[in-house]
Amino acid sequence: QQQVKQSPQSLIVQKGGIPIINCAYENTAFDYFPWYQQFPGKGPALLIAIRPDVSEKKEGRFTISFNKSAKQFSLHIMDSQPGDSATYFCAASSGNNRLAFGKGNQVVVIP
Amino acid sequence: EPEVTQTPSHQVTQMGQEVILRCVPISNHLYFYWYRQILGQKVEFLVSFYNNEISEKSEIFDDQFSVERPDGSNFTLKIRSTKLEDSAMYFCASRPTGRSTFFGQGTRLTVV
Repeated sequence: QQQVKQSPQSLIVQKGGIPIINCAYENTAFDYFPWYQQFPGKGPALLIAIRPDVSEKKEGRFTISFNKSAKQFSLHIMDSQPGDSATYFCAASSGNNRLAFGKGNQVVVIP
Repeated sequence: EPEVTQTPSHQVTQMGQEVILRCVPISNHLYFYWYRQILGQKVEFLVSFYNNEISEKSEIFDDQFSVERPDGSNFTLKIRSTKLEDSAMYFCASRPTGRSTFFGQGTRLTVV
């Protein structure tokens, strides 16, 4: 059972553009929604996370939007830079904190 | 900045052999995890460990797998008899009492 669905699979944007990655979840017990950034050959690095009691959270150029009724959340990368080129994973967990990951989204930012 | 440390970075082993993957979680973290990522696929949960015992395991974590925290700092994953399909990146992760989970750089396991 795929608990977290992520789309689109890949994105190519120009420098300065705003790639948007969407995730949908099924399990209403999920109460923590992190995003991870992964560079080739490296481990996932925690980028930003949100809980369902807020609709938006910003950290630097990264913003999470959360829609509890639709069971969807998305990552926006403002003023994207070539160094942001990476694979981005959304994830979700409930109290036991076993993370369920989406399939990942490759973002390429062209200079 | 504290980080989760994994060794080795790459391990090649013959099918049927035992391997031990090692991790040093961030000190003062309480919850420890192993995840794996088959090339090009998503990260999958294997096992969680808290208070010196397994708190949850996935269907992937069968009798061939075991975990141990032998000395209060290291956290190991043992695969008793490796199969070709065990080839993957294995990530150790840890977290404190909060929800933020931090991952290591991974061990690439290649079974030949």
